[in-house]
Amino acid sequence: EPEVTQTPSHQVTQMGQEVILRCVPISNHLYFYWYRQILGQKVEFLVSFYNNEISEKSEIFDDQFSVERPDGSNFTLKIRSTKLEDSAMYFCASLRGQTMNTEAFFGQGTRLTVV
Amino acid sequence: GENVEQHPSTLSVQEGDSAVIKCTYSDSASNYFPWYKQELGKRPQLIIDIRSNVGEKKDQRIAVTLNKTAKHFSLHITETQPEDSAVYFCARRSGGSNYKLTFGKGTLLTVNP
Repeated sequence: EPEVTQTPSHQVTQMGQEVILRCVPISNHLYFYWYRQILGQKVEFLVSFYNNEISEKSEIFDDQFSVERPDGSNFTLKIRSTKLEDSAMYFCASLRGQTMNTEAFFGQGTRLTVV
Repeated sequence: GENVEQHPSTLSVQEGDSAVIKCTYSDSASNYFPWYKQELGKRPQLIIDIRSNVGEKKDQRIAVTLNKTAKHFSLHITETQPEDSAVYFCARRSGGSNYKLTFGKGTLLTVNP
């Protein structure tokens, strides 16, 4: 069964450093997302990406965040200058998006720890 | 707004009992309501979903009911088993081209053997 894969599974970084979280969505999916989950809290939407551009972003997704789909398979989230409060589990998700194929599939997550 | 309220935040039941988790929403444009199960340190996994044109959906021991007038939907798990222990999140989505999900705060379900 196809699945969304994320790397790395755990990243520790110093405050102020840049990090890039990587995701490989399911190959025939058209919509891509990043969500964040701070420990013990709910899953929060960060950004959605469709047709090679951001379609929506939340207030969390400020100028420190960016997303890219550099080739036909990868989808990355970059945090330019990490803060302590960026520590969270980051989930990538993808969705086919045609008629009834609208189930979102989540990756296993990247646990980001900013120290 | 787009928020979803979820109750209770924790639920403890005896094995074999039923568990019910409820969510309410305010956006009338919401038309899709999935439920996710998340085990510790794992990804959220879809266990059941319901669309706004349906009032109830069942899959073995799991069922979801939707009351569009009252803007609430519920997850029902019957004959609970210890492996049902996890955090359960409800979510909602509006129509349109984005398919973004808004999640509730989660319910920690513990099934005691």
